[in-house]
Amino acid sequence: QVQLVESGGGVVQPGRSLRLSCAASGFTFSGYAMHWVRQAPGKGLEWVAVIWYDGSSKYHADSVKGRFTISRDNPKNTLYLQMDSLRGEDTAVYYCARDGAYRLDSWGQGTLVTVSS
Amino acid sequence: QSALTQPPSASGSPGQSVTISCAGTSSDVGGYNYVSWYQQNPGKAPKLMIYAVNKRPSGVPDRFSGSKSGNTASLTVSGLQAEDEADYYCSSYAGNDNYYVFGTGTKVTVL
Repeated sequence: QVQLVESGGGVVQPGRSLRLSCAASGFTFSGYAMHWVRQAPGKGLEWVAVIWYDGSSKYHADSVKGRFTISRDNPKNTLYLQMDSLRGEDTAVYYCARDGAYRLDSWGQGTLVTVSS
Repeated sequence: QSALTQPPSASGSPGQSVTISCAGTSSDVGGYNYVSWYQQNPGKAPKLMIYAVNKRPSGVPDRFSGSKSGNTASLTVSGLQAEDEADYYCSSYAGNDNYYVFGTGTKVTVL
């Protein structure tokens, strides 16, 4: 069965960096685009970024453009989110999700990132 | 990248129907047949309930249905059950500039 497991969350000071990982199993990782989606405490879902199945294209939300970078390592079945210049408003649970043709058909359990001094 | 607009709350008694709207623009909901709906229970990851406007993934009860008219999509839950109480989010592909956008979310309460 499809399994997505996020890791790398934690407490970080404003302005610092953090890298999230998402380990995928149970499907052919290299055959799917992948997304990051976040949810601030008590708030709604916010799309963050997507990367093509082969890494050839990437798109980021305006709110993170220039600060966050999505990437992937297909031989390692792992998705990444490099987060730089973190701000308080980046505090959220970060989910990775599989793209089944413009729909997010499988989600991880999420990892919490808290940006605070 | 503006979020799609949903009502904050909706409710119904067991066995009744509830419909949630999702208002977008011609650049997202109205421009593509890639509207999806997700159910989220407290502390849990979202779950795909509807995709491509009106298609149900395997395992989703046929009580859940989707539709679209112009720039507004809708999710209808018929024959409400207690287990349907959750937050629901719509989403849409929005082209290569904005790519993907979620709705503001609707809390469904079963009275």
